[in-house]
Amino acid sequence: SAVISQKPSRDICQRGTSLTIQCQVDSQVTMMFWYRQQPGQSLTLIATANQGSEATYESGFVIDKFPISRPNLTFSTLTVSNMSPEDSSIYLCSVEDSGLLYNEQFFGPGTRLTVL
Amino acid sequence: GENVEQHPSTLSVQEGDSAVIKCTYSDSASNYFPWYKQELGKRPQLIIDIRSNVGEKKDQRIAVTLNKTAKHFSLHITETQPEDSAVYFCAASNYGQNFVFGPGTRLSVLP
Repeated sequence: SAVISQKPSRDICQRGTSLTIQCQVDSQVTMMFWYRQQPGQSLTLIATANQGSEATYESGFVIDKFPISRPNLTFSTLTVSNMSPEDSSIYLCSVEDSGLLYNEQFFGPGTRLTVL
Repeated sequence: GENVEQHPSTLSVQEGDSAVIKCTYSDSASNYFPWYKQELGKRPQLIIDIRSNVGEKKDQRIAVTLNKTAKHFSLHITETQPEDSAVYFCAASNYGQNFVFGPGTRLSVLP
């Protein structure tokens, strides 16, 4: 399976600032995803990031708030803009590893964000 | 779109007993159903999955069953151990696209 790393692992930020989270994969993958996991909650998909095209955002998430870059097949960034305490959460990137017929999904270690 | 429900939300079992977590899905096109285990402070880890062309799959103490007609699938853990304590998420997707996750089950294995 793909090895995924994320930076930073955690951060404490002030209200109104922005944080960019990096996701690095050890192999080329077509599709990368960004999820948010609030304390004690399930995984909520923010957006799908494909190399060479605009990210596709899920309902409730917009590009101005969560701009995403996907410059190549091994890297992506998610920016949390103009942060408020409600943005405090764990942000996880994930990738799909192509199987014979089905793609399996693997997660990065997550970035724990606290907004004061 | 797909909707995945998961029950129970919390489950406590005595060490050595079995644990069963059930999920239902709404989209009959879904054909791939992975299960993830998330220990406290760690990332979700894929532990087992099942495709729609089989009804059951087993890996040591873990098994999954799938009922396509009823649109539900279950995770079975036998001979539970304290290290099985974690949050378990089911998910449904179509050939590994568009994963939708259940709300999770917090399993506690009591010594």
